[in-house]
Amino acid sequence: GNSVTQMEGPVTLSEEAFLTINCTYTATGYPSLFWYVQYPGEGLQLLLKATKADDKGSNKGFEATYRKETTSFHLEKGSVQVSDSAVYFCALRGTGFQKLVFGTGTRLLVSP
Amino acid sequence: DTGVSQNPRHKITKRGQNVTFRCDPISEHNRLYWYRQTLGQGPEFLTYFQNEAQLEKSRLLSDRFSAERPKGSFSTLEIQRTEQGDSAMYLCASSQDTLNYGYTFGSGTRLTVV
Repeated sequence: GNSVTQMEGPVTLSEEAFLTINCTYTATGYPSLFWYVQYPGEGLQLLLKATKADDKGSNKGFEATYRKETTSFHLEKGSVQVSDSAVYFCALRGTGFQKLVFGTGTRLLVSP
Repeated sequence: DTGVSQNPRHKITKRGQNVTFRCDPISEHNRLYWYRQTLGQGPEFLTYFQNEAQLEKSRLLSDRFSAERPKGSFSTLEIQRTEQGDSAMYLCASSQDTLNYGYTFGSGTRLTVV
């Protein structure tokens, strides 16, 4: 079945550092890929998405590129802020109206 | 439209009691999903509806769990005879009938069984 693997956290960075959170997936067909963010005490918010190979999703300075050859969708940001501290979830949605499948999440801690 | 609304935000119950949660999706969204999230884990799929029809249920959804979506609007998730292992965040999400569309999540209901 479909699955997502994320790097374990926490990822601890200083403000303005470069961020990479790795995500790889296993799926049949042509899934859509997503990154969600969860701030403390809140639900999940869609951060960005990509629906086909080589697509780049971007939002709020975050980017991720759908790499079918490496089955990856790594999240990057050039300069993190303290307000980016949260848990980030990589997810995929299989072909058609299949349900979202999530990774275990990666906690990001950014210090001033 | 204020997004997906879940009530209550928090519920503390004694083991063996029944609890019911409510989810109000975005009005134009036909699809509604329930997920469960435990500490340090990603959300796990429980069940989903297209309009009023429940189309898929996870094996995580034991016979103590039941979900309904009467008239294809709001949904309820009931847990009977709660157990300590049911303690988790229960998330509701809704989605349009459009391929490659992400879900909009509510803030969740945190259940604590004591």
